[in-house]
Amino acid sequence: DAGITQSPRHKVTETGTPVTLRCHQTENHRYMYWYRQDPGHGLRLIHYSYGVKDTDKGEVSDGYSVSRSKTEDFLLTLESATSSQTSVYFCAISGTLWEGTGELFFGEGSRLTVL
Amino acid sequence: TQLLEQSPQFLSIQEGENLTVYCNSSSVFSSLQWYRQEPGEGPVLLVTVVTGGEVKKLKRLTFQFGDARKDSSLHITAAQPGDTGLYLCAGAGGTGGGADGLTFGKGTHLIIQP
Repeated sequence: DAGITQSPRHKVTETGTPVTLRCHQTENHRYMYWYRQDPGHGLRLIHYSYGVKDTDKGEVSDGYSVSRSKTEDFLLTLESATSSQTSVYFCAISGTLWEGTGELFFGEGSRLTVL
Repeated sequence: TQLLEQSPQFLSIQEGENLTVYCNSSSVFSSLQWYRQEPGEGPVLLVTVVTGGEVKKLKRLTFQFGDARKDSSLHITAAQPGDTGLYLCAGAGGTGGGADGLTFGKGTHLIIQP
């Protein structure tokens, strides 16, 4: 199994507070991703990273920012959480995208509830 | 925007029956993956298909990539309760290497009743 850990696994917070989710990998993979999963919407890409300090926006990036200061860590920050950001967040990694296969390995998810 | 439509959304069948799940798009993908997700866990990769017309087998699961690389199917023979889960298809972009991740379908919720 790919070495990916997400923290925290569960968090309840209030509207307007900042929240940071952490993804840590031990695989030395170049690509890292944050997805959110919601009923009726499936998995949607928030942000991704293709190297240290190299990040880009995904499909649903509004209200989120990311940082990657080290290969192994990819942080997702909600500057001011809203109830619409209540979701399950998944981090994923890949080392093979530029070879064309696009296979992802996922963490176990972080369940965020914004009251 | 590339979209993947999965059908059916929900499927509940008896143990021992056969079933097929479909993943369709109007876009061409360089590769397509199938994942299975169990409650409280992240998706786990089952298979990757790359070549149009390709067929791959994983025990009782048979995966096929359409000739035009726009669609795929997953067939399960003699389904078992352990096959219960959310099945997701995901496509990698046809151009640019795909660093911007995969496009996911909304998934098929499969329940196999004993």
